[in-house]
Amino acid sequence: EDKVVQSPLSLVVHEGDTVTLNCSYEVTNFRSLLWYKQEKKAPTFLFMLTSSGIEKKSGRLSSILDKKELFSILNITATQTGDSAVYLCAVDDNQGGKLIFGQGTELSVKP
Amino acid sequence: KAGVTQTPRYLIKTRGQQVTLSCSPISGHRSVSWYQQTPGQGLQFLFEYFSETQRNKGNFPGRFSGRQFSNSRSEMNVSTLELGDSALYLCASSKKGQWSQETQYFGPGTRLLVL
Repeated sequence: EDKVVQSPLSLVVHEGDTVTLNCSYEVTNFRSLLWYKQEKKAPTFLFMLTSSGIEKKSGRLSSILDKKELFSILNITATQTGDSAVYLCAVDDNQGGKLIFGQGTELSVKP
Repeated sequence: KAGVTQTPRYLIKTRGQQVTLSCSPISGHRSVSWYQQTPGQGLQFLFEYFSETQRNKGNFPGRFSGRQFSNSRSEMNVSTLELGDSALYLCASSKKGQWSQETQYFGPGTRLLVL
């Protein structure tokens, strides 16, 4: 059965810290891996990764995919309280509009 | 460009009733996917519609159904509500045809409480 596993499930850090969130997957028909940030409501899109070894960056956030080892990481540097959220990893299994989500990592950034 | 919109935002129903939720995708997007989010199970795929056709369906009972209209707006219906149907229902839209890698953009969700 296809699955996506994130770790850690929760994390508490202080402002200015750097965090690394992990996502591993076992999906038969992998097409892409996506990262989302969810605060109170809708998940908002961060990155889509399709190729191994190519880092995607947006400000203090970056992500990379390893298709050989079947995992991805999301890095956040110089964390701010506004980074507090649940970070969701999802895999598109090329089955028509379906994303398989991990459980999410709840990040709390303390001032 | 307006984002994905969902109505209603909040809903309270009692067991045995039925409910219809609505989703309007981003303009130009033809694919609409529906997900159920609960604290215990996380985000789980319900079904996806593209050009008024259901292309894919998750592992949910037949009480969960949906449809899509010619303007790409989609509705999902849950009949004979159970307490366990209490959840945040999210829809997401993307442009894609089946063979393209494109992002799904989520709406704010409808929070359903079944009493």
